[in-house]
Amino acid sequence: SQQGEEDPQALSIQEGENATMNCSYKTSINNLQWYRQNSGRGLVHLILIRSNEREKHSGRLRVTLDTSKKSSSLLITASRAADTASYFCATDARDSSYKLIFGSGTRLLVRP
Amino acid sequence: DGGITQSPKYLFRKEGQNVTLSCEQNLNHDAMYWYRQDPGQGLRLIYYSQIVNDFQKGDIAEGYSVSREKKESFPLTVTSAQKNPTAFYLCASSIGGRGSYNEQFFGPGTRLTVL
Repeated sequence: SQQGEEDPQALSIQEGENATMNCSYKTSINNLQWYRQNSGRGLVHLILIRSNEREKHSGRLRVTLDTSKKSSSLLITASRAADTASYFCATDARDSSYKLIFGSGTRLLVRP
Repeated sequence: DGGITQSPKYLFRKEGQNVTLSCEQNLNHDAMYWYRQDPGQGLRLIYYSQIVNDFQKGDIAEGYSVSREKKESFPLTVTSAQKNPTAFYLCASSIGGRGSYNEQFFGPGTRLTVL
């Protein structure tokens, strides 16, 4: 079962532009995480935001969380070609704080 | 050099054969996970283990089996009962423990192809 759904499915931007990806989920959560995956590789954790937080920053990344709308956004500022990857949101599962439920991802292409 | 290793990177299997994918971590993590990823899709949970000698089924456990005899190791066997095993398999681990925020660390993956 997939809880998080990312939007858009694919995004193509020019280097230097900002990239915004959105994630919607269905049930209440304790936290939401964003991961990055380069083609054919494992996932890398980017940032975690707790349900009582509204915004969090990490370098060029900015994540927001709106629990009333059950949605989150990931903003990458001043994008670089090296940011080209797939980005996934993941939420913790109700029945276990160990399990994460991943969305289907946004494929980001940053053109040099 | 801490992390998670998976082997092999590529694996080819004939129909009807069982194959075992290796996953090892030296992060001293209690929890380990196996996911399956199909092209252009997200990750689906196959099995997870919160502690040694214990594991639970995920969303798509049919046709797979696991063991957790050591903290560092969580091998996945893809059996002949798995109808469509061709996929990218990812192993992950996390600190675990109740109340943890469960950031997961991933291995590089094994791409399994059934011939």
